[in-house]
Amino acid sequence: QQQVKQSPQSLIVQKGGISIINCAYENTAFDYFPWYQQFPGKGPALLIAIRPDVSEKKEGRFTISFNKSAKQFSLHIMDSQPGDSATYFCAASSLVYNTDKLIFGTGTRLQVFP
Amino acid sequence: DAGVIQSPRHEVTEMGQEVTLRCKPISGHNSLFWYRQTMMRGLELLIYFNNNVPIDDSGMPEDRFSAKMPNASFSTLKIQPSEPRDSAVYFCASRPVGIGYTFGSGTRLTVV
Repeated sequence: QQQVKQSPQSLIVQKGGISIINCAYENTAFDYFPWYQQFPGKGPALLIAIRPDVSEKKEGRFTISFNKSAKQFSLHIMDSQPGDSATYFCAASSLVYNTDKLIFGTGTRLQVFP
Repeated sequence: DAGVIQSPRHEVTEMGQEVTLRCKPISGHNSLFWYRQTMMRGLELLIYFNNNVPIDDSGMPEDRFSAKMPNASFSTLKIQPSEPRDSAVYFCASRPVGIGYTFGSGTRLTVV
């Protein structure tokens, strides 16, 4: 019940296209859903996050869509650029229960070709 | 702000040796986390501290692993004795109350 399932494992997108990464969870106590971006040789960096009281959050070209009833959330990268090539991790935690450890998905390696 | 600082960046050691990884969290962050990253298992939480107190060490693989946080600005993760299957990238992360983590650049451990 602590798992966060992420798909696809890898994604190849043309420059200018839309990249979509999906995650699903089971623990209804989760109430914080961040996405992290990791470049080779670096630690993951927070990209964007959402709470379950909203269905969508947008920051620039990055959008999180959240479906509470389906217990799913996704990251959309609009106008994908070669510089977006990285590994993306979804995660979840429960701030309400003060168990603020993040449970990570298995990651998606995104490659954007010019 | 220098971010979360980890040392060393790379460590190569022989099986059976003791390994100590170090982390300096961001000043003012009251939670600290140790993660391990491998291709097979992804990012696994090993242990985390709140206000220097270990809260959850259920992810520590076995007694060979231990972690300490003697004060708010320093933590160590020790493996004794090390084994080849411990080879991974170990990340330390810190966070203030209610906001996302900041990760360090990691320590790449190779046990031969």
